[in-house]
Amino acid sequence: AQSVTQLGSHVSVSEGALVLLRCNYSSSVPPYLFWYVQYPNQGLQLLLKYTSAATLVKGINGFEAEFKKSETSFHLTKPSAHMSDAAEYFCAVASEGGYQKVTFGTGTKLQVIP
Amino acid sequence: GAVVSQHPSRVICKSGTSVKIECRSLDFQATTMFWYRQFPKQSLMLMATSNEGSKATYEQGVEKDKFLINHASLTLSTLTVTSAHPEDSSFYICSASGGAGKLFFGSGTQLSVL
Repeated sequence: AQSVTQLGSHVSVSEGALVLLRCNYSSSVPPYLFWYVQYPNQGLQLLLKYTSAATLVKGINGFEAEFKKSETSFHLTKPSAHMSDAAEYFCAVASEGGYQKVTFGTGTKLQVIP
Repeated sequence: GAVVSQHPSRVICKSGTSVKIECRSLDFQATTMFWYRQFPKQSLMLMATSNEGSKATYEQGVEKDKFLINHASLTLSTLTVTSAHPEDSSFYICSASGGAGKLFFGSGTQLSVL
């Protein structure tokens, strides 16, 4: 069984401030981990993914995430928030054996304050 | 990159009618496609896994007679919501497996049942 917990359904940051969105996972096998972004009335766009290679993963739009096995975490960060980063972010996990079957977290809505 | 086209993006229908949603992989063959549903302020929930040429596998609690899935070709899967009711109003989104750990999402369909 696999699951994802996203801490904080809403996060507000000032423009230019650090963005930190938290994600903890549970998986009985080595996981694949993903962060997706969803803009209003749009589908999901993959930001980045971890697939057992480097633990620090760099994605699009300046985002990155670090896989920490000891903490079962995969937090998403961006050094400096931009207004266009306002969206909903989903952390997701898939098992290596069935990587296509993805379990999503409940999402974190990021608000960027000018 | 690979593109998944989902149509329509928005549909409004009367209670009791059926609605068909199409999901197409435009530049790759997808032997497996997935259908998700997202209620407001909630995460995406996997409804069913669609395999080309065989019956779909439904998640627990999803009525297979209400949500008919057809995956007749390697590039097309359809979801038909039969006899739709207001409680079926939701955001439906498909994804297609492009192999090698790649999963691509459609842009979603917002269904509103009056």
